Amino acid sequence: DAGVIQSPRHEVTEMGQEVTLRCKPISGHDYLFWYRQTMMRGLELLIYFNNNVPIDDSGMPEDRFSAKMPNASFSTLKIQPSEPRDSAVYFCASSLGVWTRGTDTQYFGPGTRLTVL
Amino acid sequence: GENVEQHPSTLSVQEGDSAVIKCTYSDSASNYFPWYKQELGKGPQLIIDIRSNVGEKKDQRIAVTLNKTAKHFSLHITETQPEDSAVYFCAAWANQGGKLIFGQGTELSVKP
Repeated sequence: DAGVIQSPRHEVTEMGQEVTLRCKPISGHDYLFWYRQTMMRGLELLIYFNNNVPIDDSGMPEDRFSAKMPNASFSTLKIQPSEPRDSAVYFCASSLGVWTRGTDTQYFGPGTRLTVL
Repeated sequence: GENVEQHPSTLSVQEGDSAVIKCTYSDSASNYFPWYKQELGKGPQLIIDIRSNVGEKKDQRIAVTLNKTAKHFSLHITETQPEDSAVYFCAAWANQGGKLIFGQGTELSVKP
């Protein structure tokens, strides 16, 4: 399996622009997670989906952030408009995530490094 | 909700020495505790995990211990090597929902 795939790997944009980050989870995984990593705040969960349905978006910082999962193999995280404080590394992860099957391991993608100037 | 505290934030050891990283959690219902290693420029990768029905698990030079009563768990790396240098994250999985709560990370440096 190719693992979790994220694109782009690096994104540099100007304040006010729309940014779209993309993720392809591991095939067959029911859960998809979006994380943000910064030096100050560490690894933060933004939102996660189960079977394409958003379950918990309490970590989404503001209305400027939105996430979608139109099908089992694709998700996007959008920031509109972007601000310099959004600069971070954004990770996507996926898992089978069902405790009763004992398969909770989350597999992370390589991340997208976002810089907002 | 769950809260995970991790210590130390940085750890420097000589090659061949052991390294220990400790985490505490707040939710007694948590039942799954993975450890992730993150190398520079990469995403976190699972290195070992432990479930609440066992107290210790080993995988070659890596071991994890869990004390459910005290609500803490630890990562032990023996015979450290320079390639062990990375940031290590502990996490706790709440029994309900599909959510992992991560510690703040420990930057391990192994000096040759």
